[in-house]
Amino acid sequence: DAGITQSPRHKVTETGTPVTLRCHQTENHRYMYWYRQDPGHGLRLIHYSYGVKDTDKGEVSDGYSVSRSKTEDFLLTLESATSSQTSVYFCAIRRGGTYEQYFGPGTRLTVT
Amino acid sequence: GENVEQHPSTLSVQEGDSAVIKCTYSDSASNYFPWYKQELGKGPQLIIDIRSNVGEKKDQRIAVTLNKTAKHFSLHITETQPEDSAVYFCAASIGGGSEKLVFGKGTKLTVNP
Repeated sequence: DAGITQSPRHKVTETGTPVTLRCHQTENHRYMYWYRQDPGHGLRLIHYSYGVKDTDKGEVSDGYSVSRSKTEDFLLTLESATSSQTSVYFCAIRRGGTYEQYFGPGTRLTVT
Repeated sequence: GENVEQHPSTLSVQEGDSAVIKCTYSDSASNYFPWYKQELGKGPQLIIDIRSNVGEKKDQRIAVTLNKTAKHFSLHITETQPEDSAVYFCAASIGGGSEKLVFGKGTKLTVNP
């Protein structure tokens, strides 16, 4: 599982509330990613990080922000959750020296 | 931007038969093409990948082929087993940097005993 954990694994929140999802890795990988998965859309990249404090946007970044203050943690924040952000969120790492990405177990987020 | 199309969206085969899933990509600079298997309630699992300087790669019952000229690549599973039932995703790197991937929408494979 490439040493990736995500927390929480499930969350239900109300529209307009802030939400932070955490991705933690234990193998010192430089690259970390946040994806969302929705029926009919596959996996879509939200943001990614290529080092501490170095982040960039993906194809569906609107409404999301990220932070990476330590190599092992990559946080995804929804400043004001909307129902359209109900989804399953996956974190991934890229193994150093390769192009391979490995995924965490996911967080199911429901915004009511 | 880069776009990956995956077909079919669902595939049902009998145990022991072969299964083929096809993907096309749009960015001629793409140079890395992984395939993932996702079981219900789990994260996607990398099962095989291919680089643009290779035409075919095999790992036991699975193989991937790449046609750079036509910009398509395929996953082949032989001697299918019920445990192969899952959703399979293809992906292609965006540009030559390979930092980012774009994914197909997935194929739900069902292997009937």
